[in-house]
Amino acid sequence: NAGVTQTPKFQVLKTGQSMTLQCAQDMNHNSMYWYRQDPGMGLRLIYYSASEGTTDKGEVPNGYNVSRLNKREFSLRLESAAPSQTSVYFCASSEEGRGELFFGEGSRLTVL
Amino acid sequence: AQSVTQPDIHITVSEGASLELRCNYSYGATPYLFWYVQSPGQGLQLLLKYFSGDTLVQGIKGFEAEFKRSQSSFNLRKPSVHWSDAAEYFCAVGASGSARQLTFGSGTQLTVLP
Repeated sequence: NAGVTQTPKFQVLKTGQSMTLQCAQDMNHNSMYWYRQDPGMGLRLIYYSASEGTTDKGEVPNGYNVSRLNKREFSLRLESAAPSQTSVYFCASSEEGRGELFFGEGSRLTVL
Repeated sequence: AQSVTQPDIHITVSEGASLELRCNYSYGATPYLFWYVQSPGQGLQLLLKYFSGDTLVQGIKGFEAEFKRSQSSFNLRKPSVHWSDAAEYFCAVGASGSARQLTFGSGTQLTVLP
């Protein structure tokens, strides 16, 4: 039972470098999300996708772009990484209206 | 705008003791309320949720929570804590059943002493 799979689990970048976080879910959910988790701040929504081909900004979208490649996959891209983007990133999916989010194990990103 | 407060950053209890984690929310209408647990190195997992109906909600792993509208609270309880319950716990509030509209609290870290 894979659920939500994120890669990579760890990444170190230098300021200005770019990278893409990959996420895939096998639960046939329409909705997918990217969150960042910072100490003492809970989870904050970066972007979400209600269905294949649609994406919308969340609370903290600046500095990020997303692609909903198909129903299974939702990627998060940092075009020019900044130290403020050092965080743990979580991908999640849900069946709309049910309220329950299913999370991946997280990707820890450090920007030097 | 909705908000949620978890007043306790860190709680320590002994194994076998009872547990109560506090959650206070701010929302103008009837909220949708959730508790999630995050074990070390893992993503969050849903413990329980309240949408409507009975204000005492049972969840997984022996947890329960009670919705008290008059106190704007949704506290999480467990009668006897096990060492495996050591984790971080997040309360979340939403305007509907849509996960898109969830606001998470800052979390409470639970340490369990042997």
